[in-house]
Amino acid sequence: AQSVTQLGSHVSVSEGALVLLRCNYSSSVPPYLFWYVQYPNQGLQLLLKYTTGATLVKGINGFEAEFKKSETSFHLTKPSAHMSDAAEYFCAVIVYSSASKIIFGSGTRLSIRP
Amino acid sequence: GAGVSQTPSNKVTEKGKYVELRCDPISGHTALYWYRQSLGQGPEFLIYFQGTGAADDSGLPNDRFFAVRPEGSVSTLKIQRTERGDSAVYLCASSWGEETGELFFGEGSRLTVL
Repeated sequence: AQSVTQLGSHVSVSEGALVLLRCNYSSSVPPYLFWYVQYPNQGLQLLLKYTTGATLVKGINGFEAEFKKSETSFHLTKPSAHMSDAAEYFCAVIVYSSASKIIFGSGTRLSIRP
Repeated sequence: GAGVSQTPSNKVTEKGKYVELRCDPISGHTALYWYRQSLGQGPEFLIYFQGTGAADDSGLPNDRFFAVRPEGSVSTLKIQRTERGDSAVYLCASSWGEETGELFFGEGSRLTVL
């Protein structure tokens, strides 16, 4: 069965520093992987997704993620953190059973220090 | 409206009471999902509708939970004999179909059971 694991429930970086949020997946079939973001008092929104093709995917607000099959990883990065990036980030995978459904990781809270 | 609408935004009830939570998806979206999010956790899958039918209800925790989508648009999540452990934010999301992975979330209904 497909699943995702997020390493680190809380990450804190300085403004302007590199952001790296870790996600590892488990899947017996080629996975469809996603990153969602939840800003304070807002609903979750899609940041980026990987389905097939190019393994480096770019999303909104300067974020990108690279699908690495050999490492079963889909880490999220941003070269330079901005205060507005403070939010909760969730890695997710499509699980194929009787019907497809999206399963989320436990989330990583990103804090930005001035 | 343009987005997914959930009502009520907040609901406080007493243990043992019956609760209904409503979700109005984006017009034209055939897929509708319910998730539950507890503090510090990722969204937990409850049920997925494709049209009027529940394609996958494997996430419903027990028979006190039930959801309907009679006309393939608005959905209602019903919780009978509420327990304190049911306290959480209940999220609704909709999408064009099950394979896209791009879910559009509402802001959630926060349920507190006293």
